[in-house]
Amino acid sequence: AQKITQTQPGMFVQEKEAVTLDCTYDTSDPSYGLFWYKQPSSGEMIFLIYQGSYDQQNATEGRYSLNFQKARKSANLVISASQLGDSAMYFCAMRANTGGFKTIFGAGTRLFVKA
Amino acid sequence: NAGVTQTPKFQVLKTGQSMTLQCAQDMNHEYMSWYRQDPGMGLRLIHYSVGAGITDQGEVPNGYNVSRSTTEDFPLRLLSAAPSQTSVYFCASSYRQSSYNSPLHFGNGTRLTVT
Repeated sequence: AQKITQTQPGMFVQEKEAVTLDCTYDTSDPSYGLFWYKQPSSGEMIFLIYQGSYDQQNATEGRYSLNFQKARKSANLVISASQLGDSAMYFCAMRANTGGFKTIFGAGTRLFVKA
Repeated sequence: NAGVTQTPKFQVLKTGQSMTLQCAQDMNHEYMSWYRQDPGMGLRLIHYSVGAGITDQGEVPNGYNVSRSTTEDFPLRLLSAAPSQTSVYFCASSYRQSSYNSPLHFGNGTRLTVT
């Protein structure tokens, strides 16, 4: 069975500092993709970053990077230089061949950025 | 380019009533899906479709029906609303159904309350 686990229900970070949001996953499929989505208080879901299981390098998108440790089955999101606008809910998600390409989500981490 | 359009944004139903949540996308995406979001549980897949005429059940399909008569539209029907169906519903689509590297594009969500 495939599973995504986010163990941090809430996190606080000081503005301008970096923060890491944890995500572990479980799948027996060698081919899969890992995604992070942001949900601000307005409610929409915003795609942030993608990492493929065969990618050799960690994905980066601006201030977002994905710390991919395949052997440990972890895909942590790192946000550098946090901004007040980063306060939101963050979801880790996975899509795999054997899951019928369905995307499954973790429970989410709520990030609070302090001024 | 509207992306994924969901209607209505808000809905209040009485127990036992039926209704249809509408979802349309104009990106020619093969894959469409419905999720419900409940506090502490992330997003859970209700139903999904890999193309016109093809639908399948997700994690929590009971009490919901779907159909996909066109590539663009994927309505979700609540057959007999129950208070347990009070939730925020998201429609999401992605370009290719048989690919683990396609992120989901989300609608803005429907907040449903069943009294």
